[in-house]
Order: sequence, then structure tokens, then C-alpha cells
Amino acid sequence: AQSVAQPEDQVNVAEGNPLTVKCTYSVSGNPYLFWYVQYPNRGLQFLLKYITGDNLVKGSYGFEAEFNKSQTSFHLKKPSALVSDSALYFCAVRAPPSNDYKLSFGAGTTVTVRA
Amino acid sequence: EAQVTQNPRYLITVTGKKLTVTCSQNMNHEYMSWYRQDPGLGLRQIYYSMNVEVTDKGDVPEGYKVSRKEKRNFPLILESPSPNQTSLYFCASSLKDGNTIYFGEGSWLTVV
Repeated sequence: AQSVAQPEDQVNVAEGNPLTVKCTYSVSGNPYLFWYVQYPNRGLQFLLKYITGDNLVKGSYGFEAEFNKSQTSFHLKKPSALVSDSALYFCAVRAPPSNDYKLSFGAGTTVTVRA
Repeated sequence: EAQVTQNPRYLITVTGKKLTVTCSQNMNHEYMSWYRQDPGLGLRQIYYSMNVEVTDKGDVPEGYKVSRKEKRNFPLILESPSPNQTSLYFCASSLKDGNTIYFGEGSWLTVV
């Protein structure tokens, strides 16, 4: 069975400081990994994904994530956080193409960036 | 504009009163799915469909039904809603490769 762990319920950083949101996963085979962001009272917005290739993936709004196979991690990073980055972040994983494209989500990490 | 549209966005209903949440996508996607989001649990899959007339259970299907009569539509049916189905519901769709899954804006459902 596939699963995702986001070990931190909340992350608090000051504006301008680096932001890291942690994610580890468990899946059979090579993982497809995703980050989504949810702003208050809004739907899920896709940030970035790792399917194959370069372990460092760049996405929307200046975010990036690094796939680390040996540590089964896919941490989300931003070099300089903005107040507008305050939101709920979800990491998700799915197995390689199969009968079910189900995404398994972590519980989410609430990011608060203070001015 | 490519989008997944859900309706209603907000609904308060009473226990036992049948309701349907509609979902429509304009991207000609084969794959569609329903998730529910609950605090501390992330999103959990309810049902999914790989194509027209093909549906299957996800992780939490109890109390829900779906149908896929047309490629663009994938309604979620609660035949007899109960308070434990109070949640935020998301519809999602993707092409057959499943590489990028698009989500709707969400439907807040409260059952009293």
C-alpha cells in the first residue's frame, strides 16, 4: 500500500527566510510525487511533480522539491518565503501506471509566514 | 479554460435527504475521481472512474454512489446522508497517463 507522511502539522517562518515542508513516502516501484497547495476556502492547486529525470524539480511560485530515493523523501522548498505563501500544503504519491491513478495524500502541513 | 466544475459549492442538508454533487470537466479526460478532505487526514479517495461506464471503489466508498454515463460528468450521490459525511469534497480528473491530476474548487457539505 502506498502512503505519505508529513511529519510537521505546522511550519512557521519569517518572511524572507527559507521555507521547507517535509514529506516522506512509501510506494511499490518508482513513485510519482506531487505537491499541492490549498489557500483558505479554495481548491487544490498543483505546484509541482516528479515523475522521472532530474531529482530537483522546479514548480510554480518559486517552489522546488528534491526527490531523494534513498531517504524516500520529497521535501518542498522555497529560498525566500512570502506572506502570501501562507497556506495548507499537501504532498501526494501514486504508484507507476496501474489500474488506479489514486493519489495518496499526506495529512497536510499548515505554513504560516509572518511579516 | 480547462477546468473541473463542481456544484453545489456549499450545501447544508438534513440526515437522510438524498443529494447529488455534480462534477464536470471540459478537458476530455478519461480518468475522474472523488475525494473527501477531513482535518488531520488529508484527502481520501471515495470512488474513481477510468472511463465511461467503468467505476470502482476507493478507500472510503461506504455511503456513496457514482455513475459515469458521459465522459465529462461524474456525479457523486449520497442516497441517505449522515452527519459523518460532513466534509469537503473534491472532484478530480486526468488524462489516461495520470501524470497531472486537476482538482475542482471543492464542495462543502454539512449534514445535520
